Amino acid sequence: GQNIDQPTEMTATEGAIVQINCTYQTSGFNGLFWYQQHAGEAPTFLSYNVLDGLEEKGRFSSFLSRSKGYSYLLLKELQMKDSASYLCATSGTYKYIFGTGTRLKVLA
Amino acid sequence: DSGVTQTPKHLITATGQRVTLRCSPRSGDLSVYWYQQSLDQGLQFLIQYYNGEERAKGNILERFSAQQFPDLHSELNLSSLELGDSALYFCASSISQEPTYEQYFGPGTRLTVT
Repeated sequence: GQNIDQPTEMTATEGAIVQINCTYQTSGFNGLFWYQQHAGEAPTFLSYNVLDGLEEKGRFSSFLSRSKGYSYLLLKELQMKDSASYLCATSGTYKYIFGTGTRLKVLA
Repeated sequence: DSGVTQTPKHLITATGQRVTLRCSPRSGDLSVYWYQQSLDQGLQFLIQYYNGEERAKGNILERFSAQQFPDLHSELNLSSLELGDSALYFCASSISQEPTYEQYFGPGTRLTVT
């Protein structure tokens, strides 16, 4: 079957680093996406990993281990505007499967 | 602005009714995906069209149907509406039929069934 698990909520302090984990089971794996979604708004693309390893993009980095079915999103130098839901999604044959998202609260 | 447009922004209707949601993909994108997002759930994939043809089906109810027209805009039809159909409906577009490219999401249509 196909399944994605990520924590429901996380809290961190402005300026800190936070790691949001995602574990998945999927058939026909074609890569893993991270999207950011502010409340009531559309998801926006953050990163895509198809090979094992770390991809860095500014304050955001994403890691993938295909053998472990595991990914994480690392957010550095947290800002208040980073308060949002972070959605992990796998891509399989013609389909994207989204997790329920991790709601991140950044405190001053 | 993702370049994907959806209309209407909000829709309030009664149980048993039928509604049509409309989506125009980003210029150049041939794939359109429809998702449903309820309060406590993640994005539920409903259906994908690529260049006018249905490519993949997810958890789409039989009361729901969709199509993609020659100009690539897409419509999602919801009929015999129930209270549980109240949700945010997103359309997303992508350049390819393969799910290896990022999707660009529209602003969504918030459907309230009373």
